[in-house]
Amino acid sequence: SQQGEEDPQALSIQEGENATMNCSYKTSINNLQWYRQNSGRGLVHLILIRSNEREKHSGRLRVTLDTSKKSSSLLITASRAADTASYFCATGLTGGGNKLTFGTGTQLKVEL
Amino acid sequence: EAQVTQNPRYLITVTGKKLTVTCSQNMNHEYMSWYRQDPGLGLRQIYYSMNVEVTDKGDVPEGYKVSRKEKRNFPLILESPSPNQTSLYFCASSLGGQTYEQYFGPGTRLTVT
Repeated sequence: SQQGEEDPQALSIQEGENATMNCSYKTSINNLQWYRQNSGRGLVHLILIRSNEREKHSGRLRVTLDTSKKSSSLLITASRAADTASYFCATGLTGGGNKLTFGTGTQLKVEL
Repeated sequence: EAQVTQNPRYLITVTGKKLTVTCSQNMNHEYMSWYRQDPGLGLRQIYYSMNVEVTDKGDVPEGYKVSRKEKRNFPLILESPSPNQTSLYFCASSLGGQTYEQYFGPGTRLTVT
């Protein structure tokens, strides 16, 4: 099974609302990254959080990491229609060399 | 403009006909990798390379080959494609390995009939 699994698989909200998606992983990590993918296009990096960090912010994005629960969450505040995309977490495993393992993604739809 | 380019963007081929998907980056990145994306499975890493002449297997390397003769190029080779290799393929590059932001190409949609 996947190292990183996002939850929910799909999320539909109204513009202006906040969107929260979660990522759970199985083994010890060095860092966790979040990416966005617009339909059928390449992924775009959003934010990286290291294992010794608990929270990071970037504009309307807030990422938390709880290594004891092996989980991370991505919060998008005041969502816009342009935030409609799939969001993936990616983990760099402790002792995993230079591999980066992606989850299955959350499809976010922001409606006007 | 800093970018990762892939060619072709779309390819339809038949079982067994060797093909190569090219990937090139202009950012002088050390690390390059290939992923395939399938519905419900997310992105899975095929191969990665930390530097010229250094390549390593990812999670799903079977049926694929790669080479890294130059720093900027990292072609993906399917010696004998099969229908289960029908997928959306992405090349990515970064300054280093797992602790760095990955820059992705636009993707290559491959159909093997």
